Amino acid sequence: DSGVTQTPKHLITATGQRVTLRCSPRSGDLSVYWYQQSLDQGLQFLIQYYNGEERAKGNILERFSAQQFPDLHSELNLSSLELGDSALYFCASNPGSLENTEAFFGQGTRLTVV
Amino acid sequence: DQQVKQNSPSLSVQEGRISILNCDYTNSMFDYFLWYKKYPAEGPTFLISISSIKDKNEDGRFTVFLNKSAKHLSLHIVPSQPGDSAVYFCAASTPQGGSEKLVFGKGMKLTVNP
Repeated sequence: DSGVTQTPKHLITATGQRVTLRCSPRSGDLSVYWYQQSLDQGLQFLIQYYNGEERAKGNILERFSAQQFPDLHSELNLSSLELGDSALYFCASNPGSLENTEAFFGQGTRLTVV
Repeated sequence: DQQVKQNSPSLSVQEGRISILNCDYTNSMFDYFLWYKKYPAEGPTFLISISSIKDKNEDGRFTVFLNKSAKHLSLHIVPSQPGDSAVYFCAASTPQGGSEKLVFGKGMKLTVNP
């Protein structure tokens, strides 16, 4: 158990809909990362939040947005969903200090758009 | 543009033998490298890391080698065990004022046969 909790584990929704994925980081971690893993693809970095503020942005579509709340949990909002958005979405966390350190991943949310 | 490349999608070895997983990178600014292991239906789990100031890091059966001039790193597993069967991701990061997004390769599926 990494200590990172993601909900829901599975989500099936229709095209055009909007969903929210939730992530609770490890206790004490200030930094939250979101990744997307599509079929046969590696983990694509979407966005990072540190202590409530956006810190880095990757290949995140304009239809997607995220936020980190004062209690440090984070939500990834996906709107106007398309079939190609079907993927595994992972959240990871770490202390977010300046020193390099590994990130700890949750079990992921499997999103299926039909 | 794939900054971290794992060119072989799969590897099969016999139990007790050595497994060598390779990874190449293109961004010379990367200074911290990690290997993650992922089982089906689980999130990636941190395995071992290496800083660019070192050329080798060992942890039990796992050793990571870094060749900065060749922009190449490898993970050696000796001896390989059936429980090592998983997808292995190579990742790299650059220090950017606290933004430590990890850039991942596409992964390599290792199968260790009993």
